[in-house]
Amino acid sequence: AQSVAQPEDQVNVAEGNPLTVKCTYSVSGNPYLFWYVQYPNRGLQFLLKYITGDNLVKGSYGFEAEFNKSQTSFHLKKPSALVSDSALYFCAARHNFNKFYFGSGTKLNVKP
Amino acid sequence: DAGVTQSPTHLIKTRGQHVTLRCSPISGHKSVSWYQQVLGQGPQFIFQYYEKEERGRGNFPDRFSARQFPNYSSELNVNALLLGDSALYLCASSLDRDLEDTQYFGPGTRLTVL
Repeated sequence: AQSVAQPEDQVNVAEGNPLTVKCTYSVSGNPYLFWYVQYPNRGLQFLLKYITGDNLVKGSYGFEAEFNKSQTSFHLKKPSALVSDSALYFCAARHNFNKFYFGSGTKLNVKP
Repeated sequence: DAGVTQSPTHLIKTRGQHVTLRCSPISGHKSVSWYQQVLGQGPQFIFQYYEKEERGRGNFPDRFSARQFPNYSSELNVNALLLGDSALYLCASSLDRDLEDTQYFGPGTRLTVL
């Protein structure tokens, strides 16, 4: 079955430290990959996407993601976490019009 | 510019009833998609519409239907509501129908089925 996995339900990091939120995918072909963030009682906000080209993608709010085809991973990273980054993060993959897979989400807690 | 808007914000229905949810895309966007997000899970794809035609459909029963209007707004209809239909329903719009197009999400409609 095709899917997107976010192996960590929760990630805790201290403010100022680097953060990584992990995502792996099991989707046929060459899917397009996305990261979204969701704040409480809000819709999803787009952070970044990988289509093709450079494996390191830069996005909004200082976030970046590294695509690794051999490991089928698309990990979200930020060099220095902020308390305001605390939210729910979703990884998603898409390879045709009927298939847009989201992971189950990772809650990021950034402590002052 | 206004983002994706959805109405109503919250809705309470009883089992067996019918519900209609509405979505207005970002100005200039021609594609609208619908997702169901059950508490504690990621969004599940329901439909994508482009130029008033269904372009994609997820694994949802026929009780779920949708349509897109000439102004690109959209409605999601759910018949014979079940308790399990309780969820946050998200609408997303994108400029075109290309797979790499970024989808921009609305705030959602919280549906509670009693």
